[in-house]
Amino acid sequence: GAVVSQHPSRVICKSGTSVKIECRSLDFQATTMFWYRQFPKQSLMLMATSNEGSKATYEQGVEKDKFLINHASLTLSTLTVTSAHPEDSSFYICSASRILGPAIYEQYFGPGTRLTVT
Amino acid sequence: AQSVAQPEDQVNVAEGNPLTVKCTYSVSGNPYLFWYVQYPNRGLQFLLKYITGDNLVKGSYGFEAEFNKSQTSFHLKKPSALVSDSALYFCAVRVDPFSGGYNKLIFGAGTRLAVHP
Repeated sequence: GAVVSQHPSRVICKSGTSVKIECRSLDFQATTMFWYRQFPKQSLMLMATSNEGSKATYEQGVEKDKFLINHASLTLSTLTVTSAHPEDSSFYICSASRILGPAIYEQYFGPGTRLTVT
Repeated sequence: AQSVAQPEDQVNVAEGNPLTVKCTYSVSGNPYLFWYVQYPNRGLQFLLKYITGDNLVKGSYGFEAEFNKSQTSFHLKKPSALVSDSALYFCAVRVDPFSGGYNKLIFGAGTRLAVHP
């Protein structure tokens, strides 16, 4: 159990276009999902926290108008990179938070999406 | 502020030898600590966590970690390394949810483990 999927796994797009990445919790409901960005040989940097039915909370320095997050259901969150540029090329990873008990949470990570902007 | 430090960029070990990947943390309140492993072009896989209880935590694939409060460390260990253990390892600390952290994780920089035959 506790599987998180991401789609697509790889995407190549042209500069100026928009790309949507989906994150799904396949066998549990996730009230909170997280979006991370990882540059080569670097750690994961949290971009935003997404709560079902409400606006996402963005980390400092992350442009909310460029990285649109929608968490429309308890099993799906989407990240849309708008007007993508080559510097947006990166590995994007989502995670979904599962409630295991009172104040007990566990995060499960998706396999990641490799975005290349040409 | 809460933070995690992994002082080694890379750890090299011969197959069959014990391995240690170091992690130190800084938190306000009780620490919630995690280790994850990442293989190339893949997401993170959970290895183990410390919330409370025994200082020695056993996890997946034969890994274990020792929580040391006085040294604020949570080093990852394995008695006998395998070539297939070669990967990128991340230590993480959970932000106190009662401070508005929404269960966020803060990751260390990562340590690349290379196990040689």
